[in-house]
Amino acid sequence: EDKVVQSPLSLVVHEGDTVTLNCSYEVTNFRSLLWYKQEKKAPTFLFMLTSSGIEKKSGRLSSILDKKELFSILNITATQTGDSAVYLCAVEGSGNQFYFGTGTSLTVIP
Amino acid sequence: DAMVIQNPRYQVTQFGKPVTLSCSQTLNHNVMYWYQQKSSQAPKLLFHYYDKDFNNEADTPDNFQSRRPNTSFCFLDIRSPGLGDAAMYLCATSRDRTYEQYFGPGTRLTVT
Repeated sequence: EDKVVQSPLSLVVHEGDTVTLNCSYEVTNFRSLLWYKQEKKAPTFLFMLTSSGIEKKSGRLSSILDKKELFSILNITATQTGDSAVYLCAVEGSGNQFYFGTGTSLTVIP
Repeated sequence: DAMVIQNPRYQVTQFGKPVTLSCSQTLNHNVMYWYQQKSSQAPKLLFHYYDKDFNNEADTPDNFQSRRPNTSFCFLDIRSPGLGDAAMYLCATSRDRTYEQYFGPGTRLTVT
């Protein structure tokens, strides 16, 4: 059965902390892994990863994929209160089928 | 296992012929969401129910309607599907608006 598992489910940190969010997957015919940030409404796209070992970076956020071990991490350095959100991981399999994890709920307190 | 179930997994409909997609959940969550996702795009929120309160997104076409007869079930009705409505439709639930969402497997809609 195809599945995506994210951990932890929720996380509370102080501003300035660095966090690492995990996403592991078992998906047939893996095509890509995507990270989204979801605040109050629809998810906003962060990264798409297709190749193993290549880090994608955007400001304080970075992500890397390990296709051998079937996982990805999302790092956020120097967290700010505006980073508080649910972070979703989705994996695309065959037939454009996307499998979503439950998300990690991140709360950054001042 | 508690879960979110969507039926059918694949749906083919004709241009202009009404279609209904269904979602059920055993999680007893308050919030149920419907998303439309086209290939390689982020899911687009269409609407959500907070308990019985319906919340429509401003840019959701009138062609899309939803019903939530009880806590467990939510339906997406497309009154007159166009070719541009072909997409994956995802249902998700969460305990409350700021909590993690549990996604169903999606229904892939094809419009011929």
